[in-house]
Amino acid sequence: GESVGLHLPTLSVQEGDNSIINCAYSNSASDYFIWYKQESGKGPQFIIDIRSNMDKRQGQRVTVLLNKTVKHLSLQIAATQPGDSAVYFCAEIRYNFNKFYFGSGTKLNVKP
Amino acid sequence: SQTIHQWPATLVQPVGSPLSLECTVEGTSNPNLYWYRQAAGRGLQLLFYSVGIGQISSEVPQNLSASRPQDRQFILSSKKLLLSDSGFYLCAWTDRPHTDTQYFGPGTRLTVL
Repeated sequence: GESVGLHLPTLSVQEGDNSIINCAYSNSASDYFIWYKQESGKGPQFIIDIRSNMDKRQGQRVTVLLNKTVKHLSLQIAATQPGDSAVYFCAEIRYNFNKFYFGSGTKLNVKP
Repeated sequence: SQTIHQWPATLVQPVGSPLSLECTVEGTSNPNLYWYRQAAGRGLQLLFYSVGIGQISSEVPQNLSASRPQDRQFILSSKKLLLSDSGFYLCAWTDRPHTDTQYFGPGTRLTVL
C-alpha cells in the first residue's frame, strides 16, 4: 500500500557538522509534508513544513527540500548540536483523506 | 495559545483490565482530534480520528474504541487490554483540517503485564 518511509534508521554525526535525514513517499498526490522531532518519552514536535507547490523551505538551522520527481523529502540541520539528538519523522498529508501518514523515523545521534 | 493535555502520563495495567485514556485541547474550537499508538522504536500508527462531537473514524480493527463526548475531549478506551496494547499513546489535533499542522500531546506510556 501507500507509505512514507525513511532511508536510514539511525544517523550519527559529530557536533557542529551538518545532518541530512531523508524520507521517501509513494503518493504523488500528497499535498503537504511535515518534519517532526521526537525526544525520548515525549510527543513529536513540529519542526518545519513544506507544501507540494514548493521545493525548498528554510527555518532556523533547518532546511526542508522536496523533490516531487523522485518523491523524496529531506531535512537538513546545520551545525548539529547535542540537543538535536532525537528521532525525526516525516509526515505526508493528503487533504482529501484528511489523514497524516508518518514514516518510521530516523534516530539522530550527535556525538560531542 | 493552544495546548493539549493527556493523562495519565504512565499506566501499568494487567491483561484483561479496562482502559481509559483522556485527551483535552484548550484554546481552540472544533478541532480534528487523533489517537496514535507508537510501539517501541517504531513509527506512529493512526488508531482513530474525529472531526466533531460523536464522530469517530476507526483506522485499525482492534479491541480499542474512542469517544468524543465534548468538542475538545477525546477518550481512548478498552474493555479488556491485551499484551499487544502496550505502547506510547499520542493524542494530536489540527485546527483547520486541510491547511494546518498536526500538534501532539505529551503522550501516555501504557504497559500491559
